[in-house]
Formats: sequence, C-alpha cells, structure tokens
Amino acid sequence: AQSVTQLGSHVSVSEGALVLLRCNYSSSVPPYLFWYVQYPNQGLQLLLKYTTGATLVKGINGFEAEFKKSETSFHLTKPSAHMSDAAEYFCAVSDLNRGSTLGRLYFGRGTQLTVWP
Amino acid sequence: DAGVIQSPRHEVTEMGQEVTLRCKPISGHDYLFWYRQTMMRGLELLIYFNNNVPIDDSGMPEDRFSAKMPNASFSTLKIQPSEPRDSAVYFCASSFRVRQPQHFGDGTRLSIL
Repeated sequence: AQSVTQLGSHVSVSEGALVLLRCNYSSSVPPYLFWYVQYPNQGLQLLLKYTTGATLVKGINGFEAEFKKSETSFHLTKPSAHMSDAAEYFCAVSDLNRGSTLGRLYFGRGTQLTVWP
Repeated sequence: DAGVIQSPRHEVTEMGQEVTLRCKPISGHDYLFWYRQTMMRGLELLIYFNNNVPIDDSGMPEDRFSAKMPNASFSTLKIQPSEPRDSAVYFCASSFRVRQPQHFGDGTRLSIL
C-alpha cells in the first residue's frame, strides 16, 4: 500500500508571503499525485495533479507543485499567499498496483494553512 | 455540470437509530468512494465501488456499517444501530476510470447523541 506524509499539520504565513506545503510519499514506482483543498464545511476540491510528463505542475489559484522522484516528494507552493488561501490541504497518491486496491487514493493527514493579514 | 450530490447535509439522531446517507455520483463516473472524516483519524476510506460492485470494504469499521450501490446513479451508506463514536463528516466521491481525480460531494455532517 502507498503512504503519504505531510510534514506540518499547521502552517502559518503572512499575506503576500511564500506558501510551501510539504508532501512525501512511499512507492516503488512513480505514482499519480494529487493536491486537494478543503474549505470549511465543504468537500475536497482538486488543486492540481501529476500523472506523467513535466514534473512542474500548475494548478488553480496560482498553486503549483513539483514532482521530485529522487526525493519522493510533491511539495505544493504559491509565491504570494492570499487571505482566501486559508484552508486545509491534502496530498494524495494513487495506487497503480493491479488488484483489489486499484483505483483508490491514499491521503495524507492534511495541513491547515492560516494566512495572517 | 452537477457535481456529486449528498443528502442529507446534516443529520442529528439518537444512539441506536438507523442512519442512511445518500449519494448521487457524477453521471458517467464508474468509481464511487465513501469516506469518513474526523479530527482524530483524518480522512478514512470506508468502501469503494467500481461499476456498482464493491471492490474494497476493508475500511468499514464494523458490521453496523453497510453500503450499497443498486445502480450507477445512486449509493447508500447505512449505519444500524448508530453510536456516538460514529459522529463524523461522511463524504462521497466519484471518478471516471482508475487513477483519475476524485470529485467530492459536500459531505453529510452526522451527529449521534
């Protein structure tokens, strides 16, 4: 089974500052990787995904993430934080193994982002 | 396009009662997932279906929980009897084909008194 580790359950930044949310995964082969965002009282929304090809992936709301195979990482960044970015962010990895778990995603525990004015 | 639709949005009931949560996936999606989210345990996968067939139910906590998908446009998650520790937000998600992003509903906030 895959596993996902998000370092830091809470991250606080000032408005306009760089946002960096960390995600590491365990997998013997490069998986498909996703970042989701959850606003209060809502479901998870897809921010961006990496499947194959270019390792720097751009998503919605100015976020991007870079897949680094050697580091088994998929960190999420945004150059300048906005108040509206305050939310919980989840990293997820797909299971590429054929068998009973094909199709499921494994989620990290989430990182709560606070943006100070 | 309509997203994943869950009902009810909120449910408050007493311990021992039967609870039924409902989900309508996005049309054309062939995977459906049920998750539970709590502060203590985070986001847990309970069960998922492919083409209406349950694929993995290893996350279902115990026999009090059951899920069905009678057709491609409807699924239910039932808890009978309910207990206070079942209080959580339950999400349904669907996806088109394997390894594609999952689309989540807004969840059902369940409180068992």
